[in-house]
Amino acid sequence: KAGVTQTPRYLIKTRGQQVTLSCSPISGHRSVSWYQQTPGQGLQFLFEYFSETQRNKGNFPGRFSGRQFSNSRSEMNVSTLELGDSALYLCASSSMPGQPYEQYFGPGTRLTVT
Amino acid sequence: QKEVEQDPGPLSVPEGAIVSLNCTYSNSAFQYFMWYRQYSRKGPELLMYTYSSGNKEDGRFTAQVDKSSKYISLFIRDSQPSDSATYLCAMSLSGAGSYQLTFGKGTKLSVIP
Repeated sequence: KAGVTQTPRYLIKTRGQQVTLSCSPISGHRSVSWYQQTPGQGLQFLFEYFSETQRNKGNFPGRFSGRQFSNSRSEMNVSTLELGDSALYLCASSSMPGQPYEQYFGPGTRLTVT
Repeated sequence: QKEVEQDPGPLSVPEGAIVSLNCTYSNSAFQYFMWYRQYSRKGPELLMYTYSSGNKEDGRFTAQVDKSSKYISLFIRDSQPSDSATYLCAMSLSGAGSYQLTFGKGTKLSVIP
């Protein structure tokens, strides 16, 4: 089975721009979660989608948004980029509800905001 | 105070040493306790998980959870250079079908041949 794929792998944007990141979960997985990883804060939960519905949202400003499509692929969007948004954005997919240990992470998208 | 505290290291040990990695947490509602390993330029991969308290062993790895002290540990026996990575503890609530994980900041481990 192919793993979680994230595109693009690297991205450089300018302050004030917006960006869209994509995540394709493992085939058959219906839940996708997004995390932001920075050296200062570590891994922080952004949001979680299951069957196209947002089930949970972390403590991030409204500039961060996401969605999930009927084929379980997910996108996250960050508008009005700030320098502090520079981070590794990780996507994780899961198949069954109630099994938080069963999350498979993708390689991440490295976003640099200049 | 962060919900999960983890010493970031770095930790450097000789090959063959026993490694002890630890996390403390403040939310007594956490029920699932995970350890992830993250190599450079890769996403985290699950090493082990424990539900509630107790010990779990898998090859050279042993995970321990002490809920009374809100303290979890990962032991690596006979450490190898290939174990060099960042180790992240993560925790989750039980039920409600939510996958939200709360992570420690990670401990960077180097195993020197």
